[in-house]
Amino acid sequence: DGGITQSPKYLFRKEGQNVTLSCEQNLNHDAMYWYRQDPGQGLRLIYYSQIVNDFQKGDIAEGYSVSREKKESFPLTVTSAQKNPTAFYLCASGRGEETQYFGPGTRLLVL
Amino acid sequence: GESVGLHLPTLSVQEGDNSIINCAYSNSASDYFIWYKQESGKGPQFIIDIRSNMDKRQGQRVTVLLNKTVKHLSLQIAATQPGDSAVYFCAENTQAGTALIFGKGTTLSVSS
Repeated sequence: DGGITQSPKYLFRKEGQNVTLSCEQNLNHDAMYWYRQDPGQGLRLIYYSQIVNDFQKGDIAEGYSVSREKKESFPLTVTSAQKNPTAFYLCASGRGEETQYFGPGTRLLVL
Repeated sequence: GESVGLHLPTLSVQEGDNSIINCAYSNSASDYFIWYKQESGKGPQFIIDIRSNMDKRQGQRVTVLLNKTVKHLSLQIAATQPGDSAVYFCAENTQAGTALIFGKGTTLSVSS
C-alpha cells in the first residue's frame, strides 16, 4: 500500500535529549518536507529536500536537523537546542511544484 | 511577509447546506493553490487543487474558485455532511520546487 508513514505516533522527550522522527514514503517522490503545527495554527516549514543528499532550511529550522541519504526517507532530529519542541510534526512528499501528500503526523511531548 | 490567510476562523452549517470557505493570498506570483482537509489528530488530506491559468475547478461535491484580480480563493462544499467537519487549509506555491505556504485554517462544524 502506497503512501507516507511516520513513526512513532507519539514521542516523549526529556530535557536535553535529542529525538528522531521517522518519515518514509514509497510514492517515488523526489521532494520531501517537514512541517510543524502548533495548536490552532497553520503549518510552518522546518526543512525540505528536493533531491537525495540535499536539503534546505525552512522558516523555523533552528533546533532541528535532517538528513536525506535515501529517496524514500527523510528523518527529522529535534535537538536539545529546540527549547519549545512540543508540537505536531508532519512530513510530506511531492513532485516539486505539484501537490504535497502528508503523513499521519507525530505528536512530540516534553516530559 | 507573504502569506495565505483565511477570512473566518470558524464556520458552522447545518447538514445539507452548501458551505463556502474563503482564502485570501498576497503573492500575485503564486501559480498553484491547494485545499486540504485536516481532521483532529491526523495529517492534512488533499481535497482539490487549481493552477493560476484556471478560475474554476470541480471535484466530487467540491468546487474551487480562483479570482486572481482580487487574489481570492474559495472552496465550495455541496450538501455538507457531518463527515465534512474538520479544519480546512488553503496553501499556495510561489516557486516551483519549494514548500507550500499555508494559512491558519477554517474550522468547519456541521450539525445534524
